[in-house]
Amino acid sequence: EAQVTQNPRYLITVTGKKLTVTCSQNMNHEYMSWYRQDPGLGLRQIYYSMNVEVTDKGDVPEGYKVSRKEKRNFPLILESPSPNQTSLYFCASSFLAGGHEIPYEQYFGPGTRLTVT
Amino acid sequence: KNQVEQSPQSLIILEGKNCTLQCNYTVSPFSNLRWYKQDTGRGPVSLTIMTFSENTKSNGRYTATLDADTKQSSLHITASQLSDSASYICVVHEVNFGNEKLTFGTGTRLTIIP
Repeated sequence: EAQVTQNPRYLITVTGKKLTVTCSQNMNHEYMSWYRQDPGLGLRQIYYSMNVEVTDKGDVPEGYKVSRKEKRNFPLILESPSPNQTSLYFCASSFLAGGHEIPYEQYFGPGTRLTVT
Repeated sequence: KNQVEQSPQSLIILEGKNCTLQCNYTVSPFSNLRWYKQDTGRGPVSLTIMTFSENTKSNGRYTATLDADTKQSSLHITASQLSDSASYICVVHEVNFGNEKLTFGTGTRLTIIP
């Protein structure tokens, strides 16, 4: 089954304790992206990757890191989480439409609800 | 001010009734506009994608319209079902001097009651 998986689905942690949220897709998509979703703000892009070893900042990259060593995986790293990073996080993947940097249709993972106390 | 505004913020209708959700945007120039459905606790799922030259697009009981002149889009749901209860998100793909960006609306939360 074609899908985007994220782990963990729920995480409660304390300020400053490094954590990683994994994202994996089995559709051979070039494009992968991380978003956070907060009430009243809509989805905001954190980081994206257009292919292996190619990553770039989105709208809200501060406090996050990513890596793209393999095509299928795109982990999100919080080196020193803070309470303002409490949010719902989504990973998404897609093929890239010819000539465009933006995916034509994105497939989203189920989300990771992170609470930082 | 968000460049993609959706209305209403929330809507409750009876099962079987029709409804229309609105999306107004100021993003310009734009390449395409997308509607996503997001069930509670799940990731968004694509419903329709319309380029600037398309006026309407259907996906089953969902019909999206686009007026690029007035920068308005609507999502019409026909004969609503309980499974239509979800948030509906409008997304605009902006292309500006080679820079591309997706701007998300904050969504309309739709509740269908039996």
